[in-house]
Amino acid sequence: KAGVTQTPRYLIKTRGQQVTLSCSPISGHRSVSWYQQTPGQGLQFLFEYFSETQRNKGNFPGRFSGRQFSNSRSEMNVSTLELGDSALYLCASSAGSNIQYFGAGTRLSVL
Amino acid sequence: GQNIDQPTEMTATEGAIVQINCTYQTSGFNGLFWYQQHAGEAPTFLSYNVLDGLEEKGRFSSFLSRSKGYSYLLLKELQMKDSASYLCAVNFGGSYIPTFGRGTSLIVHP
Repeated sequence: KAGVTQTPRYLIKTRGQQVTLSCSPISGHRSVSWYQQTPGQGLQFLFEYFSETQRNKGNFPGRFSGRQFSNSRSEMNVSTLELGDSALYLCASSAGSNIQYFGAGTRLSVL
Repeated sequence: GQNIDQPTEMTATEGAIVQINCTYQTSGFNGLFWYQQHAGEAPTFLSYNVLDGLEEKGRFSSFLSRSKGYSYLLLKELQMKDSASYLCAVNFGGSYIPTFGRGTSLIVHP
């Protein structure tokens, strides 16, 4: 069974731009969560989608948004990028148990 | 808050035993995870504890004391490949979205 796939792996953007990250969960997993990981803050929860609906949301500004498609694939969008958005963005999928399976992440650098 | 505390960094010698501690607020506790994350890679699931006691999986064991708000991950017969960040995460209340600690960077040297 293929794991969680995130694309792209690396991304460089400039301030003010917007970016879209993609996540394909493990086949059969309907829950997809997004996290931001930085050295100073660790893993911070962004949001979780289940059956195309946002089910949980963390404490991030509205510039961070996401969606989930009928095949459970998910995208995350960040608009008006700021320097502080530079981070590793991780996606995790789950099949209804508490255990989350993570992708390798997208490393975003904002210049 | 739902603070989860773990040491920032630990070092150990190949072949030795190391214990990584994690403390958390006990209110609303619903389960505790340990994940391993090698640099540049995805966090991978190691263990999930809901009840008190020690659970052993090969060289890795995880312990939980719910009344003390305390867990530890025990790594035996350390290998160089065990050098990684170890993340403690807790489910609070009715949420199945875990809250993560900042991770413990373990350096294993020869």
